[in-house]
Amino acid sequence: ETGVTQTPRHLVMGMTNKKSLKCEQHLGHNAMYWYKQSAKKPLELMFVYSLEERVENNSVPSRFSPECPNSSHLFLHLHTLQPEDSALYLCASSPTPTGGGEKLFFGSGTQLSVL
Amino acid sequence: GQNIDQPTEMTATEGAIVQINCTYQTSGFNGLFWYQQHAGEAPTFLSYNVLDGLEEKGRFSSFLSRSKGYSYLLLKELQMKDSASYLCATMDSNYQLIWGAGTKLIIKP
Repeated sequence: ETGVTQTPRHLVMGMTNKKSLKCEQHLGHNAMYWYKQSAKKPLELMFVYSLEERVENNSVPSRFSPECPNSSHLFLHLHTLQPEDSALYLCASSPTPTGGGEKLFFGSGTQLSVL
Repeated sequence: GQNIDQPTEMTATEGAIVQINCTYQTSGFNGLFWYQQHAGEAPTFLSYNVLDGLEEKGRFSSFLSRSKGYSYLLLKELQMKDSASYLCATMDSNYQLIWGAGTKLIIKP
């Protein structure tokens, strides 16, 4: 069983649709993250949760809405997206949200295409 | 501003050695990470350097020079499975990760 699981792996949606991405971690970590990965661009941090509380929101448009019901699950709710939102969305976890040397454990991502 | 630079793409031959460079300019420094990401898969942790010098881990080694704002990842005895993207990231004074755009490494037989 992988440490961080994301579903779905692929998602195609229209600009008027509403969909949700799901992430689950089985590592007992206290911090979870959403990242956006676009081709040939650096990873963009979107949201950070620590012990189910949002600790960081990097000026992400309101059409992306995160939810963290418990320390093992993280959702990203999507609505009225734009074509430029097409990207790979990665979920990650770590034992704590800060601290030197804390490595991230990533899921395989959801490849999102907005038509 | 904060910036990480690494080559977009590199090509190497199976069995050879390749060095992937990363230069950085960040507000403070709390270490540098290398991650490997195969196409369509999750990035996975390779190394973390916070002190100057070379750290070896099997076929992979990572080097850091804080005074030069420079790191490299050295891959020896290249195998076809090493074809992947290699991501460099530094941790700034606020423990925020600053990522490079990644280096796509292509291994040819």
